[in-house]
Amino acid sequence: DQQVKQNSPSLSVQEGRISILNCDYTNSMFDYFLWYKKYPAEGPTFLISISSIKDKNEDGRFTVFLNKSAKHLSLHIVPSQPGDSAVYFCAAVQAGGTSYGKLTFGQGTILTVHP
Amino acid sequence: DGGITQSPKYLFRKEGQNVTLSCEQNLNHDAMYWYRQDPGQGLRLIYYSHIVNDFQKGDIAEGYSVSREKKESFPLTVTSAQKNPTAFYLCASSPRTGLEFYEQYFGPGTRLTVT
Repeated sequence: DQQVKQNSPSLSVQEGRISILNCDYTNSMFDYFLWYKKYPAEGPTFLISISSIKDKNEDGRFTVFLNKSAKHLSLHIVPSQPGDSAVYFCAAVQAGGTSYGKLTFGQGTILTVHP
Repeated sequence: DGGITQSPKYLFRKEGQNVTLSCEQNLNHDAMYWYRQDPGQGLRLIYYSHIVNDFQKGDIAEGYSVSREKKESFPLTVTSAQKNPTAFYLCASSPRTGLEFYEQYFGPGTRLTVT
């Protein structure tokens, strides 16, 4: 049972344009969401997060949007740069519940930014 | 520099042998985690530990064992009972309090190949 899904395995964009990565979840108990970025043969690094009490969180070129009614979140990267090329994972957790830090990850989306 | 060390980066074993993957952190984090990543899949939680001498099974613990004798160390043993041990293994850690609890720091990973 895939509770967090990233339905696009890959995305290709031109440098300078916007990259939009999508993530859907099914568990309505999830209330904290994170995005991680991963380069090949390296561990993921935390990028940005959002609590369910918000619908938007911004950090420089990265913005995460949350639509609770649709159980959907998206990561916008503007402008995209070649160094952004990586695999992006979304993750969700029921913060404060009995999940004890158990993140549920999506399958990942490979982003390629062309110069 | 604080961080998480996983060694070795690549590991090869014959089927039927147990193998232990090392994970050390100097971030003074209480919580530590082991994940497995397979191609086209997200990270799946194997074991986690929130305090020394205590650990819990994650979603795919069968065929694995861990110990947490020191705060800094959380080794994972892949036993011969694990049916599909070839994978990329990631260790992570986090503080135990606040929302940083969910913003896990990952090590560089160990790629295990069993033939």
